Amino acid sequence: EADIYQTPRYLVIGTGKKITLECSQTMGHDKMYWYQQDPGMELHLIHYSYGVNSTEKGDLSSESTVSRIRTEHFPLTLESARPSHTSQYLCASSEPTARGNEQFFGPGTRLTVL
Amino acid sequence: GQSLEQPSEVTAVEGAIVQINCTYQTSGFYGLSWYQQHDGGAPTFLSYNALDGLEETGRFSSFLSRSDSYGYLLLQELQMKDSASYFCAVENSGGYQKVTFGIGTKLQVIP
Repeated sequence: EADIYQTPRYLVIGTGKKITLECSQTMGHDKMYWYQQDPGMELHLIHYSYGVNSTEKGDLSSESTVSRIRTEHFPLTLESARPSHTSQYLCASSEPTARGNEQFFGPGTRLTVL
Repeated sequence: GQSLEQPSEVTAVEGAIVQINCTYQTSGFYGLSWYQQHDGGAPTFLSYNALDGLEETGRFSSFLSRSDSYGYLLLQELQMKDSASYFCAVENSGGYQKVTFGIGTKLQVIP
């Protein structure tokens, strides 16, 4: 059973607010990821981490930032939210196994910026 | 860079068999995975191929041809609950083994 959690599940905020989306996993995975996905569309990798104090930007340019101070925790921060940030944000973690880098996804945070 | 192609939509009848194809271009191929995502839900892992051939898991099978840069997901005995989006994802063999997802194929199963 995958144990990866995201909070909040839903968030509606006004333009200009600073927000942090939380992601935690209890599987001890070194690799963690943030994806942005609009309804019915593809997943875009926006940030990833291969361990503590390691963070990299993904394929999709994003105005968000991430940190990885603890293995289990990978929060994403938007300093000043805009309507263009409205989307679903999915966090995932993985560890190399015989099934490749099988990614375990959290339930997602659906963000609406007014 | 990496790119993947898969059909955007497929419709199939309950009880039938459907095949979802995926072609990819990548430098340093390591493996091909498939994920299922229901509307409003999170993606869940279905299968993984690193070597040529067929991998079977219950009603689902996945095939890979490395020489053709091609794979497919085969769903048998389709059920209504199989209506979902299916993503292929390619993993490269670089030091960080990055995973890139395709656009997803929306499968609609009809009675």
